[in-house]
Amino acid sequence: DAKTTQPPSMDCAEGRAANLPCNHSTISGNEYVYWYRQIHSQGPQYIIHGLKNNETNEMASLIITEDRKSSTLILPHATLRDTAVYYCIVRVVNAGGTSYGKLTFGQGTILTVHP
Amino acid sequence: NAGVMQNPRHLVRRRGQEARLRCSPMKGHSHVYWYRQLPEEGLKFMVYLQKENIIDESGMPKERFSAEFPKEGPSILRIQQVVRGDSAAYFCASSPRSFSPLHFGNGTRLTVT
Repeated sequence: DAKTTQPPSMDCAEGRAANLPCNHSTISGNEYVYWYRQIHSQGPQYIIHGLKNNETNEMASLIITEDRKSSTLILPHATLRDTAVYYCIVRVVNAGGTSYGKLTFGQGTILTVHP
Repeated sequence: NAGVMQNPRHLVRRRGQEARLRCSPMKGHSHVYWYRQLPEEGLKFMVYLQKENIIDESGMPKERFSAEFPKEGPSILRIQQVVRGDSAAYFCASSPRSFSPLHFGNGTRLTVT
């Protein structure tokens, strides 16, 4: 899987948009961008994923650059409960080997939402 | 629709004992993944199973660890002769197909004394 680079930490004011960047300059054409988050003491929570088009769901929006080398996760109105570690992961769509389907977690970004 | 259920939530074992961690995937999910998170570290992939088959065990320690996902019943991660270094949070995830998003349980926290 391609390596991703994320800032180690970010702050955001409650009610404002949180924009979390991710670089994945070595991404291949058959790899999706996935975002997960982990709130303290809980299991990782799936947020959103995309291939090349921007995506939006009830939790967040995912903006992928045209060259697919970077992306941004947007939480439109951050709340205190959004404080968590956010992981950007590049995941192979299909492969002939044994690594298909596996998610490889990096260090992520610690997002702290302040009142 | 219940999420991924893991039990026990907390497990304490003495060195040398066996630990058995159970994972019930979401309804309709036949793919199960196990991850380990050591204190203050990231999540590390251990094993990927599909009903009755181990697909990828590249992250499993070669000794003392085993996993199964029988036709009936939960997936089991078994750690024999536990050592203090096995103390960690063990997370299970499931998905309906191999490339669907994974849904995680809230983990089993193993403490070896």
